[in-house]
Formats: sequence, structure tokens, C-alpha cells
Amino acid sequence: GAVVSQHPSRVICKSGTSVKIECRSLDFQATTMFWYRQFPKQSLMLMATSNEGSKATYEQGVEKDKFLINHASLTLSTLTVTSAHPEDSSFYICSAPQGAAYGYTFGSGTRLTVV
Amino acid sequence: AQKITQTQPGMFVQEKEAVTLDCTYDTSDPSYGLFWYKQPSSGEMIFLIYQGSYDQQNATEGRYSLNFQKARKSANLVISASQLGDSAMYFCAMREGRLDTGNQFYFGTGTSLTVIP
Repeated sequence: GAVVSQHPSRVICKSGTSVKIECRSLDFQATTMFWYRQFPKQSLMLMATSNEGSKATYEQGVEKDKFLINHASLTLSTLTVTSAHPEDSSFYICSAPQGAAYGYTFGSGTRLTVV
Repeated sequence: AQKITQTQPGMFVQEKEAVTLDCTYDTSDPSYGLFWYKQPSSGEMIFLIYQGSYDQQNATEGRYSLNFQKARKSANLVISASQLGDSAMYFCAMREGRLDTGNQFYFGTGTSLTVIP
């Protein structure tokens, strides 16, 4: 089946640094990628939608300059958390629609801890 | 209004028993899809079952079945013969529009299921 590879799975970074999270579709072309954030014991909250070759669409309340999303190719979308702060610590997960069948494939998630 | 409502924050079930996880949804789009995902402590989202709004029959996938009541806008997940490995968070989700539109998911708040030996 379709696979979205997400890296890294865990990252610890210092306050003020930037962290890049990659989601790569391995066997299909992902023209769209959804980026979610999940706090412990809470639901997935959509942060933004990236589309290959165009600017990402951010949900209300999500800082565009802080969470930089790039969808440079049909198989790669990246989320960069810039100038990270402890409150950015969270679980980030991406998802791509496949089109047919059951439609959506999730990455395995990235647990970000900012110290 | 919430698109997806899951009213059971936590559920317990005895091993080998069946359990129903509730989900109601809200949409005015005649075309939509309903999904259930399992999220173990590792965080990955595991697809369980899908029901399309035009599907006449309830979806089934092994021990999982979806009790789809369109008029009531409910899409409850039934897990039969619970296993210890079923302990996890379960999310109900909806996508509005046709499956190939690539529209976003709306997630419920989740239900934490614990299977008791």
C-alpha cells in the first residue's frame, strides 16, 4: 500500500533553533499534504495544507512565519519549526490523500521536544 | 458546530468482549466519507475502516464493523472479540466531498480504549 515516510521520528532541540520535519511519499505522488499537530491526549489539529508548486494554506491561528511549509516536489513536503520554543513541543504528523480507495496515508509522526 | 463528535473520552472492555465506540457527524454535503483510525502510544495513525455516504451496506473489516445510521448521522465503530492489543486511542474522522477531492479530514476528540485481561 501507499507509504508516507516521515523523519525524524523524535527530535530534541534547544530553544531558538529551527527543526525541519520531512514527509516523503514513497510510491505515489502527493500533490497535497496535510500537516497536523497533536498535544498529549488530544485530537489532531490541522495546521496547514501544502500543495506542490504553490504556497501552503494555513489554518486560522497558525503562524506562517513560525511554521514554514514547503512542498517542493510531488513526493516531498517539509515543515520547519523556526525559532522553536518549549510551547512548540508537540507531536507533528503529516497525511497525504491518495485519490482512490481509502484515500489517506499518514506519516508515522514526529515527537518534538524543545528544551 | 463540531463536525465530528465522540462523547466517550475513555472506555473499558473485557478481553474477548465486543465494544462500541460512538461517533456522530455533522455535514450538509451529500457526499462524504467516514473513517476510523487507531492510534497506539507510538503515535502512528492506523486506518481501520471506511464508510462512504452512498454506501448501502455497513462497512466491515475483520473484527471491525461500522454501524452507519445516516438519518441519525452516526457512524459507530464496533470491535468484536477485543484483544489486549486493541488498547489505544480511536479517532473518528470525516472528509466532505468525493474521495478524490483530497479535502481535509475533520477529527473527533478521540476515545481511549482499554482492554482488560
